[in-house]
Amino acid sequence: AQKVTQAQTEISVVEKEDVTLDCVYETRDTTYYLFWYKQPPSGELVFLIRRNSFDEQNEISGRYSWNFQKSTSSFNFTITASQVVDSAVYFCALSERKLQRDDKIIFGKGTRLHILP
Amino acid sequence: EAGVAQSPRYKIIEKRQSVAFWCNPISGHATLYWYQQILGQGPKLLIQFQNNGVVDDSQLPKDRFSAERLKGVDSTLKIQPAKLEDSAVYLCASSLDIMRVPYGYTFGSGTRLTVV
Repeated sequence: AQKVTQAQTEISVVEKEDVTLDCVYETRDTTYYLFWYKQPPSGELVFLIRRNSFDEQNEISGRYSWNFQKSTSSFNFTITASQVVDSAVYFCALSERKLQRDDKIIFGKGTRLHILP
Repeated sequence: EAGVAQSPRYKIIEKRQSVAFWCNPISGHATLYWYQQILGQGPKLLIQFQNNGVVDDSQLPKDRFSAERLKGVDSTLKIQPAKLEDSAVYLCASSLDIMRVPYGYTFGSGTRLTVV
């Protein structure tokens, strides 16, 4: 069975600090996809990134970066020079790629990030 | 491209009443999902449609929840009768088709339900 664990329930940092959100996953499949979503106070889930299990290269997008390590089943998310607008709940998610009709995305419980001015 | 539309945005009802939520997915998206997000938790899949057929409803409390997707476009999720523990945000999402799951869904803004 697949499972996503986000051990950090809530994090507060001062603006301009770097912050890392942890994500650990469990799956029996060798082919799977990992995601990060952002949920601002407005409530909508915003897609940030997708990685497949065969691509362990780290990715950087502006102030955001992601570290995927299969050896530790982790997919951590770092925000560099955080800004107040980064305040939101962040979800890590997993989808096993079984090419079957019931492919679905399973979410972790989320980490609430507060960026203090 | 218009996003996933959901209504109403907020709903407050008394326990044992019934309520319905509506979702209009992105045009052409064959797959539609309803998720329940209880405060402080991640979204949990309730039901998944492929066109107008149910693919997975294993986590849908069928004694009180029902959903339909007539004509494979809009979808309605109903709760009857509602319980206090149904208070949550109900999120609708759509994707182009099953094979596009790895590319992520597009979510609507959700309906926040409060049962008092």
